[in-house]
Amino acid sequence: GQNIDQPTEMTATEGAIVQINCTYQTSGFNGLFWYQQHAGEAPTFLSYNVLDGLEEKGRFSSFLSRSKGYSYLLLKELQMKDSASYLCAAQDSNYQLIWGAGTKLIIKP
Amino acid sequence: GAVVSQHPSRVICKSGTSVKIECRSLDFQATTMFWYRQFPKQSLMLMATSNEGSKATYEQGVEKDKFLINHASLTLSTLTVTSAHPEDSSFYICSARLVPLPQGSSYTTGTTDTQYFGPGTRLTVL
Repeated sequence: GQNIDQPTEMTATEGAIVQINCTYQTSGFNGLFWYQQHAGEAPTFLSYNVLDGLEEKGRFSSFLSRSKGYSYLLLKELQMKDSASYLCAAQDSNYQLIWGAGTKLIIKP
Repeated sequence: GAVVSQHPSRVICKSGTSVKIECRSLDFQATTMFWYRQFPKQSLMLMATSNEGSKATYEQGVEKDKFLINHASLTLSTLTVTSAHPEDSSFYICSARLVPLPQGSSYTTGTTDTQYFGPGTRLTVL
């Protein structure tokens, strides 16, 4: 079956770095997405990886290892506004997104 | 980036009435749109895939006669919740799939095959 696993909740300190891991199993693979969702709002697109390696975009970076079925989202210089849920989603052979349950990130001063 | 709008943003209705939610891609054509439902503190649940000019594909457990989907144009999909009941109260979110143009086109989006989300519609059925 198809499955996405990510931690339910993480806590980090303002100014620090946090890594949110995601493992996936899908029927075929056409990319791995990370979305940010603030409470009561729709998700917003953060990153997309389809090749192995690290993609850096400002304070956020995303990594993919296709052989391991593994990705992580790295957030640097954490700010209070980064408190949100982070959703990992893998795109299968039909280009359908398989969603993780999301990781709630709590930032403390 | 690509913009998707959703209307209304919030609706409160009486039990037994029907509610229509519109999803529009504002600056790109979307042959495929998706409708999700999200209950409090839960992840997104895909309800159906809406393809322009054809019938929607519903996920298992989603009643197609209750959740009517129409994708009449390349920029508009609608979800109608018929005979709504309190248990239908939820956050309904649409997304539109942006497929980049082939290389060599006069215009490329510079993006990947990505879903962009509308802002969501919070439905409360009394």
